[in-house]
Amino acid sequence: EDQVTQSPEALRLQEGESSSLNCSYTVSGLRGLFWYRQDPGKGPEFLFTLYSAGEEKEKERLKATLTKKESFLHITAPKPEDSATYLCAVSIIQGAQKLVFGQGTRLTINP
Amino acid sequence: EAGVVQSPRYKIIEKKQPVAFWCNPISGHNTLYWYRQNLGQGPELLIRYENEEAVDDSQLPKDRFSAERLKGVDSTLKIQPAELGDSAVYLCASSSFGWNTGELFFGEGSRLTVL
Repeated sequence: EDQVTQSPEALRLQEGESSSLNCSYTVSGLRGLFWYRQDPGKGPEFLFTLYSAGEEKEKERLKATLTKKESFLHITAPKPEDSATYLCAVSIIQGAQKLVFGQGTRLTINP
Repeated sequence: EAGVVQSPRYKIIEKKQPVAFWCNPISGHNTLYWYRQNLGQGPELLIRYENEEAVDDSQLPKDRFSAERLKGVDSTLKIQPAELGDSAVYLCASSSFGWNTGELFFGEGSRLTVL
């Protein structure tokens, strides 16, 4: 069964304390991996697309990387405004193509 | 540019009552999605439209859920009758390049509470 698992479920950091979020997947026919940010009471907001192992994308304090089995979202010197839930999603071929989301990591950055 | 607009933002109903959600996608986006998000979980696809055609509705509980996208623009998602387990946030999203890029634009969602 196709599965996307994110860890940890929740992470609390001090401002400036760098860390990484993990997204592991067991899917067939992976076509791409995507990261989204979701603020409370809002819809997810697109961050990155990764298509192949070894690929990296950066945006401000965030960097996403991809291997054959997992992706990492590295956050460097985070600020309180980086607090949000970060969602990972994969696009797969399963008869019809579909986008499958993980359950998210709730990140809190304390000032 | 206006984003994806959804209404209502909040809805509280008694079980067995009907409810409908409306979505206006970003202008020019031909692909429209309805997702359901339970508390603490990621979104789950209910239905995907390419223009006015439903191309993936395999996850839509068809006994009580229905959706339509008239003229390939706005869309409505209906639940009749609602059950306690339907309490969730219903998210609408749209995209212009197709879902392959993974770049979906989401609305703020409609939060449904079934009592």
